[in-house]
Amino acid sequence: GESVGLHLPTLSVQEGDNSIINCAYSNSASDYFIWYKQESGKGPQFIIDIRSNMDKRQGQRVTVLLNKTVKHLSLQIAATQPGDSAVYFCAESTGFQKLVFGTGTRLLVSP
Amino acid sequence: EAQVTQNPRYLITVTGKKLTVTCSQNMNHEYMSWYRQDPGLGLRQIYYSMNVEVTDKGDVPEGYKVSRKEKRNFPLILESPSPNQTSLYFCASSSDLHSYNEQFFGPGTRLTVL
Repeated sequence: GESVGLHLPTLSVQEGDNSIINCAYSNSASDYFIWYKQESGKGPQFIIDIRSNMDKRQGQRVTVLLNKTVKHLSLQIAATQPGDSAVYFCAESTGFQKLVFGTGTRLLVSP
Repeated sequence: EAQVTQNPRYLITVTGKKLTVTCSQNMNHEYMSWYRQDPGLGLRQIYYSMNVEVTDKGDVPEGYKVSRKEKRNFPLILESPSPNQTSLYFCASSSDLHSYNEQFFGPGTRLTVL
């Protein structure tokens, strides 16, 4: 598959555990945030998004938390499964579809 | 099936030989964009297009050209490729410029310039 990062921070968890992936964003004017999942050999895939007027949003097995005070974003994955193994990117936007991506975190899920 | 397609998926070329990477979407999306992905740098935007005949530079446009003659196609052109353009390239599209919408990404094109 395609290599998306040689020295990415890595989070290793056991199947069934909850995973928390963190992201620090840079622009205090950013008002929209997205988490993407990228599996080996594939393009990024949208997971969940959140606007700056919210501090929490839940999806199916995933929750995004936003702390604007410290410019921090996190992705929580409940009951992590082997199929969740991938590289996860946060992205921020100040509007009009221009996204700035973080460098990514690799999630490894052991059976 | 709604999708973004890119061709070729893999390309090895030599310095200075012009090449085009095609991108096509079948979702009638107005917005399309090109990114490059390099180890340790994440995805960086090269060019984007808000509609037919409307294109603009992203963060790393040097050495690239684009065109948007039709809504569905957004080719990336490297007039004179150089080794520092060796990268993994992604095309993306989304539907609505005036609200925040999901960008759909293509499968990627691995380019090596020797």
